[in-house]
Amino acid sequence: KAGVTQTPRYLIKTRGQQVTLSCSPISGHRSVSWYQQTPGQGLQFLFEYFSETQRNKGNFPGRFSGRQFSNSRSEMNVSTLELGDSALYLCASSSRQKGTEAFFGQGTRLTVV
Amino acid sequence: AQSVAQPEDQVNVAEGNPLTVKCTYSVSGNPYLFWYVQYPNRGLQFLLKYITGDNLVKGSYGFEAEFNKSQTSFHLKKPSALVSDSALYFCAVRDNNAGNMLTFGGGTRLMVKP
Repeated sequence: KAGVTQTPRYLIKTRGQQVTLSCSPISGHRSVSWYQQTPGQGLQFLFEYFSETQRNKGNFPGRFSGRQFSNSRSEMNVSTLELGDSALYLCASSSRQKGTEAFFGQGTRLTVV
Repeated sequence: AQSVAQPEDQVNVAEGNPLTVKCTYSVSGNPYLFWYVQYPNRGLQFLLKYITGDNLVKGSYGFEAEFNKSQTSFHLKKPSALVSDSALYFCAVRDNNAGNMLTFGGGTRLMVKP
């Protein structure tokens, strides 16, 4: 069974630009969550999508957005990039059944210069 | 609101000795508790979980964890550490009434010396 696939693995962008990250969940998983990992703030929840609907949202500005497609693949978008957006962005997929664990992708390392 | 605390930034242990990585949590409902491990430049790898039932749960690579409801703790343990266990360990909690959102502790770096 293929794992969670995130593309691209590495990205360098300039302040003010926007970026789109992609996540393909494990086959059969309909829940996709996104997390931001930084040395200072640790792992923080961005949002969760299930059946193309946002179910939960973390405490991030509106520049961070996402969507989910009918095949459960998800994208997240960050507009007007700031230096502080440099982070490892992790995607997690799960079946959303009670008690099941989330499986994480290898992440996208975003560097904003 | 839910929260997780990992009081030690780093744990050092000699190879072959037992290891413990500490975790305490706070959640309003019944907790689902997880341990993940992260190797450099990689995502998080699931180790084990507590949902209900026995307080001692066993997971991958010989790791186990003990759920203690009265102390709201979920410490990770291994009887005999390996050098290859050196990595960053995260404890996480999920409120079973709050969807799939995980709240993570700050992480504990485990260093196993030969």
